[in-house]
Amino acid sequence: DVKVTQSSRYLVKRTGEKVFLECVQDMDHENMFWYRQDPGLGLRLIYFSYDVKMKEKGDIPEGYSVSREKKERFSLILESASTNQTSMYLCASRPGGRNAYGYTFGSGTRLTVV
Amino acid sequence: DAKTTQPNSMESNEEEPVHLPCNHSTISGTDYIHWYRQLPSQGPEYVIHGLTSNVNNRMASLAIAEDRKSSTLILHRATLRDAAVYYCIPSGAGSYQLTFGKGTKLSVIP
Repeated sequence: DVKVTQSSRYLVKRTGEKVFLECVQDMDHENMFWYRQDPGLGLRLIYFSYDVKMKEKGDIPEGYSVSREKKERFSLILESASTNQTSMYLCASRPGGRNAYGYTFGSGTRLTVV
Repeated sequence: DAKTTQPNSMESNEEEPVHLPCNHSTISGTDYIHWYRQLPSQGPEYVIHGLTSNVNNRMASLAIAEDRKSSTLILHRATLRDAAVYYCIPSGAGSYQLTFGKGTKLSVIP
């Protein structure tokens, strides 16, 4: 089975800290995604990457950046964490090709910014 | 992306069939219909997808209306483990991303 592993299940950070959320997949998938999920707003796409060193903005990229130096790893970076970035963060991956079939999600990281 | 309409919530008794409806009247001719579900405290997981014909897999069946403006996810025998939020997502063959709506929260009663 494809596994998408997020480095932390729960994180608590202070306002203004730089925060790294790490995601690793083990099935050689080309595409990787970061979503956040908030009550009443559902899942919203932050950034995605379709290849190493490539990235595209999603619907809500403000306040975030990403890094993909290796195919299996996709990092989400909060340059200066703010309380409105308290959320559940979900990483996903899928094989290459322009089709939305076959996403695999991680279990999520619940980030609290205090 | 096509807009979808799903019931906010549904209930089912354990071991009975469940039919989860989805309206997607603005779907384009090349959009696939994807279903994902999200169990409590987990990320979404893929359930099934189809284009025009009805589809079956080990998890569920997908019935697609002839005009493709609606579809129904069928769980043949609901178990407690099927309690989740179910998302219907039309998505084009040229799309990289999934756009999630609010979904249907399915409760399964023992």
